[in-house]
Amino acid sequence: EPEVTQTPSHQVTQMGQEVILRCVPISNHLYFYWYRQILGQKVEFLVSFYNNEISEKSEIFDDQFSVERPDGSNFTLKIRSTKLEDSAMYFCARTLFTDTQYFGPGTRLTVL
Amino acid sequence: GENVEQHPSTLSVQEGDSAVIKCTYSDSASNYFPWYKQELGKRPQLIIDIRSNVGEKKDQRIAVTLNKTAKHFSLHITETQPEDSAVYFCAAEEGGGADGLTFGKGTHLIIQP
Repeated sequence: EPEVTQTPSHQVTQMGQEVILRCVPISNHLYFYWYRQILGQKVEFLVSFYNNEISEKSEIFDDQFSVERPDGSNFTLKIRSTKLEDSAMYFCARTLFTDTQYFGPGTRLTVL
Repeated sequence: GENVEQHPSTLSVQEGDSAVIKCTYSDSASNYFPWYKQELGKRPQLIIDIRSNVGEKKDQRIAVTLNKTAKHFSLHITETQPEDSAVYFCAAEEGGGADGLTFGKGTHLIIQP
């Protein structure tokens, strides 16, 4: 199973601060995705990213969110001004040559 | 957009018995249906998936069935073991890679010794 790593594993921030979550692929991947999971709830799709562009995004992915691949390797999710309700696990996922998605270990974001 | 309903929310079975989790979806364009297992504090891990051109798929003790006409799919776990205890999520996707997965709300499977 091709892996990705995510950093940091846990991020604590104050409300209104900007956070950047990172996803580091180990090998070549086709699509990247960001999902979030609020504690005790289902996994929710945020955005998919292909060839350095956003392919699809959900209603959750509003102007407070952005994604980019700044150095051609790391895949980042930025939340510009965090709110309490942004507290969740954020998972990066990726595919290789099929639509099978494998999830990274996640980043736990806590907004105080 | 797609909506996935999953039942039951909690399922308790005796070790060695079978467990069945059911999901329905709304978008007839969906053609890819994975199942994920999530242990507490861990990532969702893919355990089996099925595509719309297949009605059933089996991998050892795990099987998935798909009824495209009725828009429902099910996960079957036979000979359950304590390590099967986890939250199981079904999901649906239109396919092709661009779309994200739409997940069900999850089933907490408890294996009673």
